[in-house]
Amino acid sequence: DAMVIQNPRYQVTQFGKPVTLSCSQTLNHNVMYWYQQKSSQAPKLLFHYYDKDFNNEADTPDNFQSRRPNTSFCFLDIRSPGLGDAAMYLCATSDSGGDDEQFFGPGTRLTVL
Amino acid sequence: KNEVEQSPQNLTAQEGEFITINCSYSVGISALHWLQQHPGGGIVSLFMLSSGKKKHGRLIATINIQEKHSSLHITASHPRDSAVYICAVHDLSGSARQLTFGSGTQLTVLP
Repeated sequence: DAMVIQNPRYQVTQFGKPVTLSCSQTLNHNVMYWYQQKSSQAPKLLFHYYDKDFNNEADTPDNFQSRRPNTSFCFLDIRSPGLGDAAMYLCATSDSGGDDEQFFGPGTRLTVL
Repeated sequence: KNEVEQSPQNLTAQEGEFITINCSYSVGISALHWLQQHPGGGIVSLFMLSSGKKKHGRLIATINIQEKHSSLHITASHPRDSAVYICAVHDLSGSARQLTFGSGTQLTVLP
């Protein structure tokens, strides 16, 4: 089945230790999104790629970076995680952006010790 | 920027009850999504609609563009329907790729 896959599902890191979260998709969609969702809050868009074009949200901290080496994969790098970065990180894709349906992965829950 | 409000924030129902969750937004949209999020995090898209009504199994979604309001109905509710239901909209203005999310409705269906 075509899907959005996130690895790992659970990630524990130490304060200040870089961490990378992975997302892959078999839908061949052009757009890939990274959201941060803290407990009992709505998902917050961090950035998205339209093909290779990177679009950063204005309030996304510099501590968060992303890479998209090819259509299928997108990575979220947190350079120096703080306690406030503990959250669920959701990857999503859509075919061409706009008001297309977004398909979400299962999420990676990040714990910062 | 669109303001998306959902009501109620929390809803507890007995199995078999008819459930309605409401969503209102402040400015024009191109589409509205209803999403379901189970404990553990994964989000599933239930509906995307820009007018009228859609039905899938026991779920029905309606939207009134003039009134800037949408409802999600669940008929014959079941404990497995327990989840957070999130309304999200694509604004007509701003970045069409960005969704504006409501804060979610926590639904608990008791057996």
